Amino acid sequence: EAGVAQSPRYKIIEKRQSVAFWCNPISGHATLYWYQQILGQGPKLLIQFQNNGVVDDSQLPKDRFSAERLKGVDSTLKIQPAKLEDSAVYLCASSPGTSGSPDTQYFGPGTRLTVL
Amino acid sequence: LAKTTQPISMDSYEGQEVNITCSHNNIATNDYITWYQQFPSQGPRFIIQGYKTKVTNEVASLFIPADRKSSTLSLPRVSLSDTAVYYCLLNAGNNRKLIWGLGTSLAVNP
Repeated sequence: EAGVAQSPRYKIIEKRQSVAFWCNPISGHATLYWYQQILGQGPKLLIQFQNNGVVDDSQLPKDRFSAERLKGVDSTLKIQPAKLEDSAVYLCASSPGTSGSPDTQYFGPGTRLTVL
Repeated sequence: LAKTTQPISMDSYEGQEVNITCSHNNIATNDYITWYQQFPSQGPRFIIQGYKTKVTNEVASLFIPADRKSSTLSLPRVSLSDTAVYYCLLNAGNNRKLIWGLGTSLAVNP
């Protein structure tokens, strides 16, 4: 079974530039998550999709971050404009989304963003 | 929101059993206890999950006392490849409002 795919793996940009990350979840998984992980910290949820609807985006800095999940499959996360403090690893995860039972998350390898 | 507390770091040696304890005094009735493992430059990976008593799989055991206010992840006979960060989470089943703390950084020495 193919895992969660993310691209690019690494990205270096200057502050105020824009950047986009792409995620392809495990086939058939209804739920998709984007996390931000700053070095030395645990992952922080940015947004959670159930199919193509947003379930939770309470920690997404909406003035600069946006995400979409077209057709309930692939997803993109965009930062515009980037700030120095956005330097982090951006993790995408997916889960089956089975209701009423604990739902295991499967993570991709992440995209390491460096903002100069 | 229920939070968990776990040691920041632990050291062990190859072949030893490692027990990592997680405190969750405010666990809710519908919360499951879930552990993830994260290697450097990789995303977290699910290890084990339980609700009460004991759960065992091919890589670990999870011990949960009756009051469920804490839990212990047990890794039998660790090897160098078990060096990683281990996260304890409370999960109501839909992964909503999961709180990822700093985790426990386990170093296994030769």
